[in-house]
Order: sequence, then C-alpha cells, then structure tokens
Amino acid sequence: DGGITQSPKYLFRKEGQNVTLSCEQNLNHDAMYWYRQDPGQGLRLIYYSQIVNDFQKGDIAEGYSVSREKKESFPLTVTSAQKNPTAFYLCASSRDTINEKLFFGSGTQLSVL
Amino acid sequence: LAKTTQPISMDSYEGQEVNITCSHNNIATNDYITWYQQFPSQGPRFIIQGYKTKVTNEVASLFIPADRKSSTLSLPRVSLSDTAVYYCLVGVSTSGTYKYIFGTGTRLKVLA
Repeated sequence: DGGITQSPKYLFRKEGQNVTLSCEQNLNHDAMYWYRQDPGQGLRLIYYSQIVNDFQKGDIAEGYSVSREKKESFPLTVTSAQKNPTAFYLCASSRDTINEKLFFGSGTQLSVL
Repeated sequence: LAKTTQPISMDSYEGQEVNITCSHNNIATNDYITWYQQFPSQGPRFIIQGYKTKVTNEVASLFIPADRKSSTLSLPRVSLSDTAVYYCLVGVSTSGTYKYIFGTGTRLKVLA
C-alpha cells in the first residue's frame, strides 16, 4: 500500500535536546517537504528537497536541519536552537516539483516538556 | 512571488453549495492552481487542480477565469463532514527551485 509515513505520532522534547522526526515514502517521489503548523494557523515551509542529496531552506528553517541521503527518506531534526518547537509537523512528497499533487503524512505532534 | 489570499472563514448549511474564492494576482504563466482540504490533526488532502476554465471531479468543481488571477472552489451540497480548512495553493519559483507556500486557508463550518 503506497503512502507516506511519519513517526512518531507524538514526541516530547526536553530543554536543550535535539529530536528527529521520521518521514518515509514508498511512492517513488523525487520531491519531499517539511511543514510546521501552529494551532489555528496555516502550514509554513521548513525545508524541501527536489532530489536526493539536495535540499533547500524554506521560510522558517532556523533551528531545524534535514538530510536526504535516500530517495524515500527525509528526516527532520529539531535542534536545541529552535526555542519554540511545539507544533504539528507535516511531511509531504510529490512526484516532481512543478504543478504536482502533494501527498501528506499523518503528522507528528511535538511538545516541550 | 505568487501568494494566495482567501477568506478566513465561512459558514454554510447542509445541502447548500459553497463557493470559496482565492486570489492569486501574481500567478506565473505555467502554474496550476491546486486546492486541499484539511481536517484537525491530519495532513491536507488533495481536492482538485486546474489551469484554466472549469475542472470538475467527483467531489468539487474549480472555476478559473481567463486572467487566472483568481479561482473559485465549488462544493456542491455540503454535509457536516465537509467542515474543514480549505487551502488554495500555487507554486513559487525562486532561484531555480520550486516550492509550495500555503496561505492561511478558509475555515468552513457546515451547520445542520
């Protein structure tokens, strides 16, 4: 069954800790994206990757890092530099980059302890 | 940069047709317009995509005028389960890359 999987569903971070959110897709899509959503707000782009071993910063990349070593995987690390990490994080993929449908995962809710 | 503007919220009653308009004044020549639906604590889901004139699928219609500076999503005979946030999306091409920037969306509430 093709799709995009995010894990964990819920994640808690202690002060000063780095945490990594997983995003895996088996759709053979080239492009992948990370968005952050705060309560009652729209989605904001953190990072995106058009192809393996390449990625670009989105509008709110500070305090986050990503890697794209494999086509199917695009993990997001929330570093201790991100002072307000509590949010709903959504990963998406698309077959290509231009005028393509985005397929979203079910999201990870990150909270600070 | 292409940017979309939508009404923040709308209310409707069950069985009515709902039209949500999106403004995208700076849309590029080759860009399509795509609409997504999002329920709480879920990822957005694709509804419909179009380039010009009218597109219809099993759940919605999309109307795009000739100048393509706006688009209207039409939901026929809404039900309570259509209560959600609806996003209009246009891609942004910058420095050789292409990305999707979401606006604030339109929060649709369907009343019984």
